Amino acid sequence: GAVVSQHPSWVICKSGTSVKIECRSLDFQATTMFWYRQFPKQSLMLMATSNEGSKATYEQGVEKDKFLINHASLTLSTLTVTSAHPEDSSFYICSASPSGSGFGTDTQYFGPGTRLTVL
Amino acid sequence: KQEVTQIPAALSVPEGENLVLNCSFTDSAIYNLQWFRQDPGKGLTSLLLIQSSQREQTSGRLNASLDKSSGRSTLYIAASQPGDSATYLCALGSGNTGKLIFGQGTTLQVKP
Repeated sequence: GAVVSQHPSWVICKSGTSVKIECRSLDFQATTMFWYRQFPKQSLMLMATSNEGSKATYEQGVEKDKFLINHASLTLSTLTVTSAHPEDSSFYICSASPSGSGFGTDTQYFGPGTRLTVL
Repeated sequence: KQEVTQIPAALSVPEGENLVLNCSFTDSAIYNLQWFRQDPGKGLTSLLLIQSSQREQTSGRLNASLDKSSGRSTLYIAASQPGDSATYLCALGSGNTGKLIFGQGTTLQVKP
């Protein structure tokens, strides 16, 4: 089956530092990847849509200069939280939509998530 | 703006019981609706996907229905098992973009 990995699975950093989270589709190519964040006991909120070879599309209220997204290849998207603060502590989850015929945008495979804690 | 609500927020049942999880939404102009399962600290697993033109989907002990006119979907779990314990999320696809709007989830505990 289609597998999406995230690295790291958890990270603790000091306030003011930057953290990069990787999202990889292991056995398929993904033109489109999505980044979500989830606060404790809350639902997933879409942050941005990442398209290979082009700029990401951010949802309203998400600071694009703070959450940098790079989708440099069909199997890798990265999310960099710049100058992280304690309020950025959250669970970040990515999903990937397979490219090619036969796959509508309905099909998304989710990564296992990355737990970010900013001290 | 589409809003998705799931009731109840938490549910505890004895093993073997049949149960229904509810999802309601405010805008009936949806592209599709999906039910996901999330285990603690983990990502999401898609359970069932219902297209806008469909009324229900079934997979094993799971059955999901969709009533766009009333803005509701239900996930029916038959003969619940302890392994079904997880958080169940419904999510609406609002267009052919892949974007999903999630409800807050129902956390299910099935007691042996």
